[in-house]
Amino acid sequence: EVQLVESGGGLVQPGRSMKLSCAASGFTFNNYDMAWVCQAPKKGLEWVATISYDGSSTYYRDSVKGRFTISRDNAKSTLYLQMDSLRSEDTATYYCARENTYYGYDWGQGVMVTVSS
Amino acid sequence: DTVMTQSPASMSTSVGERVTVNCKASQSVGTVVAWFQQKPGQSPKRLIYLATNRHTGVPDRFTGSGFGRDFTLTISNVEAEDLAVYYCLQYDSIPWTFGGGTKLELK
Repeated sequence: EVQLVESGGGLVQPGRSMKLSCAASGFTFNNYDMAWVCQAPKKGLEWVATISYDGSSTYYRDSVKGRFTISRDNAKSTLYLQMDSLRSEDTATYYCARENTYYGYDWGQGVMVTVSS
Repeated sequence: DTVMTQSPASMSTSVGERVTVNCKASQSVGTVVAWFQQKPGQSPKRLIYLATNRHTGVPDRFTGSGFGRDFTLTISNVEAEDLAVYYCLQYDSIPWTFGGGTKLELK
């Protein structure tokens, strides 16, 4: 069974940094592209970033380019999202997701990030 | 980027009715569309993949259809447990993009 468990969220001040982690299990991690998807309170789902199975390619939505960095450690089956220069509009639940080209996304349970002074 | 325009944004229904949710892609995505259901406080749940295929365990009252740019999720004989927000997703081209969501409520 695919399991994706996020950690690292919480309250952070504007302009500060936060790093999210996602521990993956139940599948061969280094066979899959991985992504972060966010959902602001009472809003819809938005793709944030994707990293290829081997970490060689990364993609970001425009609003986070230059501020967020997606990375992975295949030896530890762990996905990361380093978020710098955080803004109030980054407040959201962040989901770790496995990109399955057949089914779409497999989802973690999500972790809340609140950017506020 | 491929924009997925989902409609309606919300709809009211009664138990036992049939409802349809639509997604229109800004360019052809073939059949590479999925539908997800999200209930409050939960992560999204897979319903339909590759436009028409029902995931294991999804009741057959959920049906997906469409090809190219126009896609539909139909829920027949709505049950109270179906009240949720539904999202379409195109995963044909990077970045994968979602529709804005449809909230299904009881009249």
